[in-house]
Amino acid sequence: DAGVIQSPRHEVTEMGQEVTLRCKPISGHNSLFWYRQTMMRGLELLIYFNNNVPIDDSGMPEDRFSAKMPNASFSTLKIQPSEPRDSAVYFCASSLTGDRDEKLFFGSGTQLSVL
Amino acid sequence: QKEVEQNSGPLSVPEGAIASLNCTYSDRGSQSFFWYRQYSGKSPELIMFIYSNGDKEDGRFTAQLNKASQYVSLLIRDSQPSDSATYLCAVVSSGSARQLTFGSGTQLTVLP
Repeated sequence: DAGVIQSPRHEVTEMGQEVTLRCKPISGHNSLFWYRQTMMRGLELLIYFNNNVPIDDSGMPEDRFSAKMPNASFSTLKIQPSEPRDSAVYFCASSLTGDRDEKLFFGSGTQLSVL
Repeated sequence: QKEVEQNSGPLSVPEGAIASLNCTYSDRGSQSFFWYRQYSGKSPELIMFIYSNGDKEDGRFTAQLNKASQYVSLLIRDSQPSDSATYLCAVVSSGSARQLTFGSGTQLTVLP
């Protein structure tokens, strides 16, 4: 079974441009997470979906960030307009949420550089 | 206050030694605890999970949990250079949102 698939692997853009990151979770998983990782702040949860429904988006930095999960096999994270401080590695992860299982499987990440 | 605390390191141990990685957490109601390994430039990978007080062993890895002290640790026996990575402690919150919160990670270097 394929793991979590993210695209693109690398994205370089200029300040003010729109950026869209994509994620395909593992088939059968019912939870999807978007994380951002930087040296300064570590791994931060941005948003969490369960059964395609956003459960907690309190980690989304501001209105410039939005995320969607139109179906069980696809999610997007959009930044509009992008700023240099958004430069980070963005990970998507999925899991099969049970009573206390949150065993996350991570994608390879998208390295975002905003110039 | 950060919810999951780890010493950032770096922690260096000689090959063959035991590496001990520690983590404390603030949510007393947490029930699930995980250790992820992240090689430089790669994504985190789950290596251990523990739910009950005590020790859980898997090969060279042992996870230890003490809920009364809100403390979880990871021991790596017979450390190998290939174990050199950042180890992330993660805790599931007790609230309805059931978020997985990560510590900042401990960078481990195993010296040949």
